[in-house]
Amino acid sequence: EIVLTQSPATLSLSPGERATLSCRASQSISRYVAWYQQKPGQAPRLLIYDASNRATGIPARFSGSGSGTDFTLTISSLEPEDFAVYFCQQRSNWAFGQGTRLEIK
Amino acid sequence: EVQLVESGGGLVQPGGSLRLFCAASGFTFSNYWMSWVRQAPGKGLEWVANIKEDGSEKYYVDSVKGRFTISRDNAKNSLYLQINSLRAEDTAVYYCAREGVPSAIGFYNYYYIDVWGKGTTVTVSS
Repeated sequence: EIVLTQSPATLSLSPGERATLSCRASQSISRYVAWYQQKPGQAPRLLIYDASNRATGIPARFSGSGSGTDFTLTISSLEPEDFAVYFCQQRSNWAFGQGTRLEIK
Repeated sequence: EVQLVESGGGLVQPGGSLRLFCAASGFTFSNYWMSWVRQAPGKGLEWVANIKEDGSEKYYVDSVKGRFTISRDNAKNSLYLQINSLRAEDTAVYYCAREGVPSAIGFYNYYYIDVWGKGTTVTVSS
């Protein structure tokens, strides 16, 4: 069973700063990773798929990278609406990571 | 407008059953794999099950195998989740989701979830 571990659990930053979120797989999953953003009381939204492809309508400040076991979601300059919870998901058995809460410092 | 609307949730006693419904609109339902994903209160996301476009393939997370059954009716643009032998740990918001974005890597025929419903709440409690 492939397990995804996200870090940190909580990230405290200010608007305008750069955010770097990590997702590590227990075994290689090539580049079959997606990132989702979820705000309170809302369904998740697809941001990135295949580790680095932005989904339709996603701003360019969101980028993804990585392959094998280590993946990163980067938000280049945080906007107020970016503070939310972020989940990675690997596609081979659909499992999600436990999430990273991005909060305003 | 592409839309998924879930219903059927509620309060049920341990050991009970429910049938969740998802009504799809705004897209050709029969062209997509569909999933159910759940989220326990204050917790992360857990993929539960999915079903191929024609219903010929179904997959489940280990914790629900033998208790949950996913099905679909393409003529009615509807997705279902029959949940039996409910346990307290099944308490969650259940989301219906469309697997609409194909992987561009090309080795496996994978799809990613791109549309979500607002969810229906299942509470298991005596």
